[in-house]
Amino acid sequence: DAKTTQPPSMDCAEGRAANLPCNHSTISGNEYVYWYRQIHSQGPQYIIHGLKNNETNEMASLIITEDRKSSTLILPHATLRDTAVYYCIVRTTQGGSEKLVFGKGTKLTVNP
Amino acid sequence: GAGVSQSPSNKVTEKGKDVELRCDPISGHTALYWYRQRLGQGLEFLIYFQGNSAPDKSGLPSDRFSAERTGESVSTLTIQRTQQEDSAVYLCASSLRSGANSYEQYFGPGTRLTVT
Repeated sequence: DAKTTQPPSMDCAEGRAANLPCNHSTISGNEYVYWYRQIHSQGPQYIIHGLKNNETNEMASLIITEDRKSSTLILPHATLRDTAVYYCIVRTTQGGSEKLVFGKGTKLTVNP
Repeated sequence: GAGVSQSPSNKVTEKGKDVELRCDPISGHTALYWYRQRLGQGLEFLIYFQGNSAPDKSGLPSDRFSAERTGESVSTLTIQRTQQEDSAVYLCASSLRSGANSYEQYFGPGTRLTVT
């Protein structure tokens, strides 16, 4: 079962920041937070991941709360091409199978 | 460089027939994963290969499903005696794996299987 909770859908205006929340209250110390997105009819695409520090790359920023029970993915200037389903996933990177357990994600619609 | 490729992109088959789906991972990626995505649903894990270790088959839904991987290259997912509920997009992903850390998974475009 997915260990995360996300809102089913969100809307954002083009050019504005999109802030996608995720709750992972049962996360354990060795579990990372990963974000993927899936644009319609394509395979999922990796966005970013983090453990406890905030992370930023060319695609997005990841803000993780101090207690690690929630996080927010930020797309600083959303474009129409950012319309997709965004998945927040927690996973361990130590031992065992490293499958991703996908929940239902958040369908983000960027409006012109 | 080339990403993960899958073939065929679309497959329509009759109920009861066997199908074989192929995945070519990114060169040098030691880990390979198969997932299934039914219409409007999230991804379901099926099977995971890592080097010469025994694969994790915990996600295979029935004994009609099997998968093989030759070394660190091509993988095939076989579904025997297909049923209509097998209709889905089958996604393959690969990743590097080094020591205790793992890396992001890169997904292929998927094979859309329709069982009539």
